[in-house]
Amino acid sequence: GAVVSQHPSWVICKSGTSVKIECRSLDFQATTMFWYRQFPKQSLMLMATSNEGSKATYEQGVEKDKFLINHASLTLSTLTVTSAHPEDSSFYICSARSGLPEYNEQFFGPGTRLTVL
Amino acid sequence: QKEVEQNSGPLSVPEGAIASLNCTYSDRVSQSFFWYRQYSGKSPELIMSIYSNGDKEDGRFTAQLNKASQYVSLLIRDSQPSDSATYLCAVTLSGNQFYFGTGTSLTVIP
Repeated sequence: GAVVSQHPSWVICKSGTSVKIECRSLDFQATTMFWYRQFPKQSLMLMATSNEGSKATYEQGVEKDKFLINHASLTLSTLTVTSAHPEDSSFYICSARSGLPEYNEQFFGPGTRLTVL
Repeated sequence: QKEVEQNSGPLSVPEGAIASLNCTYSDRVSQSFFWYRQYSGKSPELIMSIYSNGDKEDGRFTAQLNKASQYVSLLIRDSQPSDSATYLCAVTLSGNQFYFGTGTSLTVIP
């Protein structure tokens, strides 16, 4: 149980294009989903927290107009990197929590590696 | 002071030895504690969760929680080269915020 998928697993795009990444909880309902970014040999950086049906809460320094997050259902959240530039190249990872007291853990998707040329 | 602190390492142990990973946290009302393993180029994988003081064992892994001293540790017995990874400590603090440490890099030497 507690499987989270991400799609695509990797993407290469030209500078200026937008990229959408999907995160799905396959066998549980995720009341809260998280989006992280990780640069090589660095630690996880939380970008935003999203609760189903409400606006995402972004961490300080993360541009909400550049990184659009939608959490329209209990099993799907999307991250859209708008007008991507080479400095946005990174490993993007989502995670999900069910919200039930006995399942307080975050379960991670496999990640999406974005390369912007 | 960071909410969750870990020694970044690297920590090297010989194959078959016990690897000991430590984590301290700042908020006394922390409720839940987790250890994740992250292989290079992969996403984190949950390996242990612990909610009450004491030890919790799962196979070769033992998590130890001491709320009075505000630390949580992970012991890996009979370490294998496949255990070589970065280990992330995570804590839920008051308000249900979730915080990760920066991770400890472990290398198990054959």
